[in-house]
Amino acid sequence: QKEVEQNSGPLSVPEGAIASLNCTYSDRGSQSFFWYRQYSGKSPELIMFIYSNGDKEDGRFTAQLNKASQYVSLLIRDSQPSDSATYLCAVNLRGIGDGGSQGNLIFGKGTKLSVKP
Amino acid sequence: DTAVSQTPKYLVTQMGNDKSIKCEQNLGHDTMYWYKQDSKKFLKIMFSYNNKELIINETVPNRFSPKSPDKAHLNLHINSLELGDSAVYFCASSQGLSGSYNEQFFGPGTRLTVL
Repeated sequence: QKEVEQNSGPLSVPEGAIASLNCTYSDRGSQSFFWYRQYSGKSPELIMFIYSNGDKEDGRFTAQLNKASQYVSLLIRDSQPSDSATYLCAVNLRGIGDGGSQGNLIFGKGTKLSVKP
Repeated sequence: DTAVSQTPKYLVTQMGNDKSIKCEQNLGHDTMYWYKQDSKKFLKIMFSYNNKELIINETVPNRFSPKSPDKAHLNLHINSLELGDSAVYFCASSQGLSGSYNEQFFGPGTRLTVL
Protein backbone atom coordinates (compact mmCIF):
# COMPACT_ATOMS: atom_id res chain seq x y z
CA GLN A 1 0.00 0.00 0.00
CA LYS A 2 1.55 3.27 -1.13
CA GLU A 3 1.01 5.92 1.51
CA VAL A 4 1.67 9.54 2.31
CA GLU A 5 1.63 10.39 5.99
CA GLN A 6 1.11 13.75 7.66
CA ASN A 7 0.30 14.79 11.21
CA SER A 8 -3.29 15.93 11.16
CA GLY A 9 -2.64 18.70 13.69
CA PRO A 10 -3.88 21.18 14.45
CA LEU A 11 -0.51 22.86 14.43
CA SER A 12 -0.74 26.20 16.18
CA VAL A 13 1.94 28.87 15.81
CA PRO A 14 2.02 32.55 16.77
CA GLU A 15 2.04 35.20 14.09
CA GLY A 16 5.55 35.84 12.81
CA ALA A 17 6.87 32.41 13.77
CA ILE A 18 8.08 29.64 11.47
CA ALA A 19 5.56 26.90 10.78
CA SER A 20 7.05 23.51 9.94
CA LEU A 21 4.89 20.94 8.16
CA ASN A 22 6.14 17.43 7.63
CA CYS A 23 5.31 14.57 5.31
CA THR A 24 6.67 11.06 4.81
CA TYR A 25 5.99 8.72 1.93
CA SER A 26 6.33 5.00 1.51
CA ASP A 27 7.31 4.50 -2.14
CA ARG A 28 11.01 5.01 -2.92
CA GLY A 29 10.15 5.32 -6.59
CA SER A 30 8.34 8.61 -5.99
CA GLN A 31 9.56 11.28 -8.33
CA SER A 32 7.88 14.57 -7.55
CA PHE A 33 6.38 16.18 -4.51
CA PHE A 34 3.77 18.88 -4.12
CA TRP A 35 2.39 21.05 -1.36
CA TYR A 36 -1.19 22.25 -1.65
CA ARG A 37 -3.03 24.67 0.61
CA GLN A 38 -6.75 24.25 1.17
CA TYR A 39 -8.83 26.84 2.95
CA SER A 40 -12.03 25.62 4.58
CA GLY A 41 -14.72 25.10 1.97
CA LYS A 42 -12.36 25.82 -0.91
CA SER A 43 -10.41 23.76 -3.40
CA PRO A 44 -6.73 22.83 -3.01
CA GLU A 45 -4.29 25.28 -4.55
CA LEU A 46 -0.69 24.50 -5.40
CA ILE A 47 1.93 26.29 -3.31
CA MET A 48 5.15 24.56 -4.27
CA PHE A 49 6.61 21.52 -5.93
CA ILE A 50 10.03 19.94 -5.56
CA TYR A 51 11.83 17.16 -7.42
CA SER A 52 15.44 17.26 -6.25
CA ASN A 53 16.96 16.65 -2.85
CA GLY A 54 17.58 19.82 -0.89
CA ASP A 55 15.74 23.05 -0.39
CA LYS A 56 13.60 25.09 -2.72
CA GLU A 57 12.56 28.57 -1.69
CA ASP A 58 9.70 30.71 -2.96
CA GLY A 59 9.01 33.85 -0.95
CA ARG A 60 8.09 32.88 2.61
CA PHE A 61 7.83 29.21 1.68
CA THR A 62 10.65 26.65 1.61
CA ALA A 63 10.17 23.06 0.56
CA GLN A 64 12.74 20.51 1.71
CA LEU A 65 13.19 17.06 0.21
CA ASN A 66 15.23 14.15 1.51
CA LYS A 67 14.67 11.12 -0.72
CA ALA A 68 16.93 8.88 1.36
CA SER A 69 14.71 9.46 4.38
CA GLN A 70 11.54 9.61 2.25
CA TYR A 71 10.69 12.89 3.84
CA VAL A 72 9.44 16.20 2.50
CA SER A 73 8.65 19.31 4.52
CA LEU A 74 7.27 22.79 4.07
CA LEU A 75 8.50 25.74 6.11
CA ILE A 76 6.48 28.92 6.27
CA ARG A 77 8.47 31.88 7.56
CA ASP A 78 6.85 34.92 9.16
CA SER A 79 3.56 33.06 9.47
CA GLN A 80 0.44 35.17 9.01
CA PRO A 81 -3.14 34.52 10.14
CA SER A 82 -4.00 34.24 6.42
CA ASP A 83 -1.77 31.15 6.27
CA SER A 84 -4.27 29.33 8.49
CA ALA A 85 -5.47 26.46 6.35
CA THR A 86 -4.99 22.74 5.79
CA TYR A 87 -1.76 21.86 4.00
CA LEU A 88 -1.81 18.77 1.82
CA CYS A 89 1.32 16.91 0.83
CA ALA A 90 1.05 15.05 -2.49
CA VAL A 91 3.44 12.62 -4.07
CA ASN A 92 3.65 11.53 -7.68
CA LEU A 93 4.09 7.79 -7.54
CA ARG A 94 5.23 7.57 -11.11
CA GLY A 95 7.77 4.84 -10.96
CA ILE A 96 9.21 2.13 -13.16
CA GLY A 97 6.69 -0.59 -13.92
CA ASP A 98 3.78 1.09 -12.20
CA GLY A 99 1.68 0.74 -15.31
CA GLY A 100 -1.62 2.47 -14.91
CA SER A 101 -0.55 4.14 -11.68
CA GLN A 102 1.90 6.35 -13.51
CA GLY A 103 1.10 9.96 -12.87
CA ASN A 104 -1.14 9.20 -9.92
CA LEU A 105 -0.92 11.85 -7.20
CA ILE A 106 -1.33 10.40 -3.74
CA PHE A 107 -2.38 12.91 -1.11
CA GLY A 108 -1.75 12.85 2.60
CA LYS A 109 -4.64 13.60 4.91
CA GLY A 110 -3.37 17.12 5.49
CA THR A 111 -2.11 19.14 8.44
CA LYS A 112 -4.34 21.88 9.77
CA LEU A 113 -2.33 25.00 10.54
CA SER A 114 -3.61 27.77 12.78
CA VAL A 115 -1.64 31.03 13.01
CA LYS A 116 -2.64 33.05 16.06
CA PRO A 117 -2.47 36.86 15.89
CA ASP B 1 -10.67 33.66 -16.90
CA THR B 2 -8.65 30.52 -17.48
CA ALA B 3 -9.72 27.94 -14.93
CA VAL B 4 -11.19 24.59 -14.09
CA SER B 5 -14.93 24.91 -13.63
CA GLN B 6 -17.50 22.47 -12.30
CA THR B 7 -21.27 22.41 -12.25
CA PRO B 8 -23.25 22.22 -10.13
CA LYS B 9 -21.58 23.61 -7.02
CA TYR B 10 -24.12 21.93 -4.75
CA LEU B 11 -26.16 18.81 -5.43
CA VAL B 12 -28.74 17.43 -3.01
CA THR B 13 -30.56 14.28 -4.05
CA GLN B 14 -32.29 11.18 -2.82
CA MET B 15 -30.80 7.72 -2.50
CA GLY B 16 -31.18 5.67 -5.66
CA ASN B 17 -31.17 8.63 -8.04
CA ASP B 18 -28.75 9.10 -10.94
CA LYS B 19 -26.84 12.36 -11.21
CA SER B 20 -24.04 13.93 -13.24
CA ILE B 21 -21.33 16.47 -12.47
CA LYS B 22 -19.70 18.39 -15.28
CA CYS B 23 -16.15 19.65 -15.50
CA GLU B 24 -14.47 21.88 -18.03
CA GLN B 25 -10.95 23.27 -18.22
CA ASN B 26 -9.71 25.96 -20.58
CA LEU B 27 -6.06 25.68 -19.62
CA GLY B 28 -5.22 23.59 -22.66
CA HIS B 29 -4.25 20.66 -20.44
CA ASP B 30 -4.11 17.08 -21.69
CA THR B 31 -4.99 15.33 -18.43
CA MET B 32 -8.06 15.58 -16.22
CA TYR B 33 -8.97 13.95 -12.94
CA TRP B 34 -11.80 13.32 -10.53
CA TYR B 35 -11.15 13.27 -6.80
CA LYS B 36 -13.41 12.55 -3.86
CA GLN B 37 -12.91 14.36 -0.55
CA ASP B 38 -14.77 12.77 2.31
CA SER B 39 -15.96 14.27 5.58
CA LYS B 40 -12.52 13.74 7.10
CA LYS B 41 -11.05 15.84 4.30
CA PHE B 42 -9.12 12.94 2.79
CA LEU B 43 -8.61 13.64 -0.92
CA LYS B 44 -8.55 10.51 -3.03
CA ILE B 45 -8.11 10.03 -6.78
CA MET B 46 -10.97 8.32 -8.57
CA PHE B 47 -10.22 8.64 -12.27
CA SER B 48 -7.63 10.11 -14.55
CA TYR B 49 -8.00 10.76 -18.27
CA ASN B 50 -5.18 11.67 -20.64
CA ASN B 51 -6.16 12.89 -24.09
CA LYS B 52 -9.66 11.47 -23.60
CA GLU B 53 -8.38 8.04 -22.64
CA LEU B 54 -8.80 6.48 -19.22
CA ILE B 55 -5.40 6.15 -17.53
CA ILE B 56 -6.24 5.54 -13.90
CA ASN B 57 -9.34 3.92 -12.51
CA GLU B 58 -8.89 3.49 -8.81
CA THR B 59 -11.08 1.16 -6.84
CA VAL B 60 -14.41 2.89 -7.13
CA PRO B 61 -17.82 1.26 -7.56
CA ASN B 62 -18.86 0.82 -11.17
CA ARG B 63 -21.84 3.05 -10.38
CA PHE B 64 -19.38 5.85 -11.10
CA SER B 65 -18.70 6.35 -14.80
CA PRO B 66 -16.53 9.12 -16.19
CA LYS B 67 -17.07 10.44 -19.68
CA SER B 68 -14.62 12.58 -21.63
CA PRO B 69 -16.16 13.94 -24.83
CA ASP B 70 -13.00 15.95 -25.54
CA LYS B 71 -9.77 16.99 -23.85
CA ALA B 72 -11.39 19.98 -22.17
CA HIS B 73 -14.25 18.11 -20.53
CA LEU B 74 -14.51 15.27 -18.05
CA ASN B 75 -17.95 14.54 -16.66
CA LEU B 76 -18.83 12.19 -13.84
CA HIS B 77 -22.05 10.22 -13.87
CA ILE B 78 -23.20 8.42 -10.76
CA ASN B 79 -25.94 5.78 -10.81
CA SER B 80 -28.03 4.55 -7.88
CA LEU B 81 -26.66 7.06 -5.41
CA GLU B 82 -25.94 5.85 -1.88
CA LEU B 83 -25.55 7.68 1.42
CA GLY B 84 -21.81 6.99 1.39
CA ASP B 85 -21.45 8.90 -1.85
CA SER B 86 -21.97 12.16 0.05
CA ALA B 87 -18.71 14.08 -0.28
CA VAL B 88 -17.09 16.93 -2.15
CA TYR B 89 -16.01 15.94 -5.65
CA PHE B 90 -13.16 17.87 -7.22
CA CYS B 91 -12.20 17.95 -10.84
CA ALA B 92 -8.58 18.78 -11.65
CA SER B 93 -6.39 19.10 -14.70
CA SER B 94 -2.70 19.04 -15.49
CA GLN B 95 -0.56 19.45 -18.57
CA GLY B 96 0.57 15.84 -18.36
CA LEU B 97 1.20 12.89 -16.11
CA SER B 98 4.72 13.26 -14.82
CA GLY B 99 7.14 15.68 -13.29
CA SER B 100 6.33 19.35 -13.60
CA TYR B 101 3.57 18.52 -16.05
CA ASN B 102 1.68 16.86 -13.23
CA GLU B 103 1.03 20.12 -11.39
CA GLN B 104 -2.68 19.79 -10.92
CA PHE B 105 -5.15 22.65 -10.86
CA PHE B 106 -8.42 22.05 -9.07
CA GLY B 107 -11.95 23.14 -9.77
CA PRO B 108 -14.11 24.67 -7.03
CA GLY B 109 -15.68 21.36 -6.07
CA THR B 110 -19.20 19.94 -6.07
CA ARG B 111 -20.71 19.18 -2.68
CA LEU B 112 -22.93 16.14 -3.11
CA THR B 113 -25.41 15.31 -0.37
CA VAL B 114 -27.40 12.10 -0.62
CA LEU B 115 -30.47 11.94 1.63
